[in-house]
Amino acid sequence: GQSLEQPSEVTAVEGAIVQINCTYQTSGFYGLSWYQQHDGGAPTFLSYNALDGLEETGRFSSFLSRSDSYGYLLLQELQMKDSASYFCAVRGDSWGKLQFGAGTQVVVTP
Amino acid sequence: NAGVTQTPKFRVLKTGQSMTLLCAQDMNHEYMYWYRQDPGMGLRLIHYSVGEGTTAKGEVPDGYNVSRLKKQNFLLGLESAAPSQTSVYFCATSKGGTYNEQFFGPGTRLTVL
Repeated sequence: GQSLEQPSEVTAVEGAIVQINCTYQTSGFYGLSWYQQHDGGAPTFLSYNALDGLEETGRFSSFLSRSDSYGYLLLQELQMKDSASYFCAVRGDSWGKLQFGAGTQVVVTP
Repeated sequence: NAGVTQTPKFRVLKTGQSMTLLCAQDMNHEYMYWYRQDPGMGLRLIHYSVGEGTTAKGEVPDGYNVSRLKKQNFLLGLESAAPSQTSVYFCATSKGGTYNEQFFGPGTRLTVL
């Protein structure tokens, strides 16, 4: 079957580093995206990896290993505003259809 | 620019009633998507459209219909609402092709009693 697995919750203190892992098993694979969603809000795009390796965008980085069907999102220098849910999503075809994981709730404490 | 808007923001229906959710975008994007999000779960794709006049089924299409008569609008219909359709519905758009970012609307919170 098709599935994406990510931890349900991670708690960390301000200034710390958090890594959210995502393993996937899907019938098609074009790339792995990450989205952030604050409570009651809309998901917003963070990153996309189509090739193996690390992509860095400010305090956030995303990594992909296609051979391991594995990726992660790295949040550095955590801030209180980073408290949110983070979703990995596989793009499975040329139409851009996304299959989402269940999400990881990140709780940042003072 | 408004980006992606959704109407209504909230709605309560009784079982068996029908309704239409409207998604409008001023981004001139080709691709549009309807998702539902249930508590503790990720988003699941209901239907999508890759251009005006085209629609296709997603992961969970049963009980829903869609239409894309104009490029800027994507309508999601529930013909006979059921309690299992209680959810938050998100519309999203994308440029399509090699562009990967999807832009989401604010969502519609639907309760079916």
